Amino acid sequence: AQSVTQPDIHITVSEGASLELRCNYSYGATPYLFWYVQSPGQGLQLLLKYFSGDTLVQGIKGFEAEFKRSQSSFNLRKPSVHWSDAAEYFCAVGAQAAGNKLTFGGGTRVLVKP
Amino acid sequence: DAGVIQSPRHEVTEMGQEVTLRCKPISGHNSLFWYRQTMMRGLELLIYFNNNVPIDDSGMPEDRFSAKMPNASFSTLKIQPSEPRDSAVYFCASNPTGGSNSPLHFGNGTRLTVT
Repeated sequence: AQSVTQPDIHITVSEGASLELRCNYSYGATPYLFWYVQSPGQGLQLLLKYFSGDTLVQGIKGFEAEFKRSQSSFNLRKPSVHWSDAAEYFCAVGAQAAGNKLTFGGGTRVLVKP
Repeated sequence: DAGVIQSPRHEVTEMGQEVTLRCKPISGHNSLFWYRQTMMRGLELLIYFNNNVPIDDSGMPEDRFSAKMPNASFSTLKIQPSEPRDSAVYFCASNPTGGSNSPLHFGNGTRLTVT
């Protein structure tokens, strides 16, 4: 069965600084990988996804993520954080062999300091 | 596109009462999912439907929980009787193709509090 680990529960970053959120997955084959963002009181919104091809994927709101098979990682990055990026971020993994299920990580809450 | 619509946004009820949560998926989406989010357990998949048919309900915690999808535009999640440990945010999500490579579109959730 697939699993997802987000090692950082909380991250605090200054506005304008860079941000990197870690995601490690466990799955025997090439997974489908996603990053979602959840603002307070809202549902999850898709930031970006990786299925195959170029391992560096671009998403909305200036985010990007890099798939590294050798490290079983799919870390999310943003070069310069805005105050509106304060939210909770979830990494998720899906796989064809797992049917229609996505497995979510525990989330990383990002706080942005002025 | 109105997105996935859930109602109510908030529900407060007493232990033992029946609770019904409602969801309208995005028109044309073939699959519908119910998730539960808590601080302790994070996001858990409860059940999902494909073309209105329940495919996997292994995440449903107990027989007190039941879900239906009578047509392509409506689903309910019912808890009877409710217990304080059911307090959580319940999300409904849908996707167009039914495959795990198809991103989920989430509603804004129903925050359930059972006292």
